[in-house]
Amino acid sequence: GPKVLQIPSHQIIDMGQMVTLNCDPVSNHLYFYWYKQILGQQMEFLVNFYNGKVMEKSKLFKDQFSVERPDGSYFTLKIQPTALEDSAVYFCASSQGQANQDTQYFGPGTRLLVL
Amino acid sequence: QQKVQQSPESLTVSEGAMASLNCTFSDGTSDNFRWYRQHSGKGLEMLVSIFSDGEKEEGRFTAHLNRASLHVSLHIREPQPSDSAVYLCAVRHGSAGNKLTFGIGTRVLVRP
Repeated sequence: GPKVLQIPSHQIIDMGQMVTLNCDPVSNHLYFYWYKQILGQQMEFLVNFYNGKVMEKSKLFKDQFSVERPDGSYFTLKIQPTALEDSAVYFCASSQGQANQDTQYFGPGTRLLVL
Repeated sequence: QQKVQQSPESLTVSEGAMASLNCTFSDGTSDNFRWYRQHSGKGLEMLVSIFSDGEKEEGRFTAHLNRASLHVSLHIREPQPSDSAVYLCAVRHGSAGNKLTFGIGTRVLVRP
């Protein structure tokens, strides 16, 4: 089926530094999402993005987080500055639309460790 | 706030025996219920999506939805060792775009 790629697969970073997580969504998809999963906990919605704008964000999407998709390239999640509690697996997803039948396709995740 | 709970936490079945997983949700206005699975280190693979009460079959995977009971189940027919994975229940909020709320997952091990 359609594949979403995420780069890098793992990232270790010192607290306070900036990190950018990259997502290569399915080529004809228009809606993009980030989810966060802390070890041992359930995956939680962070943000969804369409047409250059954030559509909805959760309370987990702190002011230090930002998303963009410049010129139709990677969909990125930037965290600046990072904090210890940002350590988690971040999953990117994309969908063609937002109708009931539109499937979100997920990437394999980026494992972020903040020291 | 939507709560999605899955049971059991883990399940071991023999190859060929039916596997049954449960998911309960708290928001009765949710409009779409999905089962994904995740093999270790891989992305989520969607197995079946169900919108209305009753059953929906996709190959060896059958979802059964009962909105009144706030319950959706997944049955895996003739499971194989390659079906060993974490199975995630996800509930869509129709009034909130395509946002999904996930359960914590059921870890399924299929023994040869």
